[in-house]
Amino acid sequence: QQPVQSPQAVILREGEDAVINCSSSKALYSVHWYRQKHGEAPVFLMILLKGGEQKGHDKISASFNEKKQQSSLYLTASQLSYSGTYFCGTAGMDSSYKLIFGSGTRLLVRP
Amino acid sequence: NAGVTQTPKFQVLKTGQSMTLQCAQDMNHEYMSWYRQDPGMGLRLIHYSVGAGITDQGEVPNGYNVSRSTTEDFPLRLLSAAPSQTSVYFCASSQGTIRSNTQYFGPGTRLTVL
Repeated sequence: QQPVQSPQAVILREGEDAVINCSSSKALYSVHWYRQKHGEAPVFLMILLKGGEQKGHDKISASFNEKKQQSSLYLTASQLSYSGTYFCGTAGMDSSYKLIFGSGTRLLVRP
Repeated sequence: NAGVTQTPKFQVLKTGQSMTLQCAQDMNHEYMSWYRQDPGMGLRLIHYSVGAGITDQGEVPNGYNVSRSTTEDFPLRLLSAAPSQTSVYFCASSQGTIRSNTQYFGPGTRLTVL
């Protein structure tokens, strides 16, 4: 079942902060975050695993609430290069082999 | 390392034609997958493979076939192309199980079916 992302789109001024949320109705093993720029492939940002382990980008922070099956990606002091579409992907407890992505959050950072 | 490579980059087909999208990786990854991405939408899993000789269906497998004869290659076959298969197709690979490892994406194949 596809996770739900919010907001669908956000516009920031350079230096402002943003939070992107990802919510699932099923029990999760992990949440993955990717960023995609227009016309390019998605690029890995972070993995948050059940139990608290995190892997990934040291300039981006995120949280995973295992009880609520929710994750949030925190973009602080945004830069122009942060613009793009952010996707969360969720892996359920029932499968080691499927990563299901949300529909994405479009972020535009303006000077 | 070249990472994940895909060919062709662009393809136009007529309804009913068949074709194979190629995907290769040189990282010795066990896990490989195919996604499609429609305009303004997220990535939907078509098929995946956990190793040579082992494949399984994802969210939207109808109209597509896959096989995995080697660790490196994971081709996607469209049996009889339909306009609804117009999309951007991404291949990806991962070391170990996908749920706890980074997935590396290829550059994509943009397919138009007329």
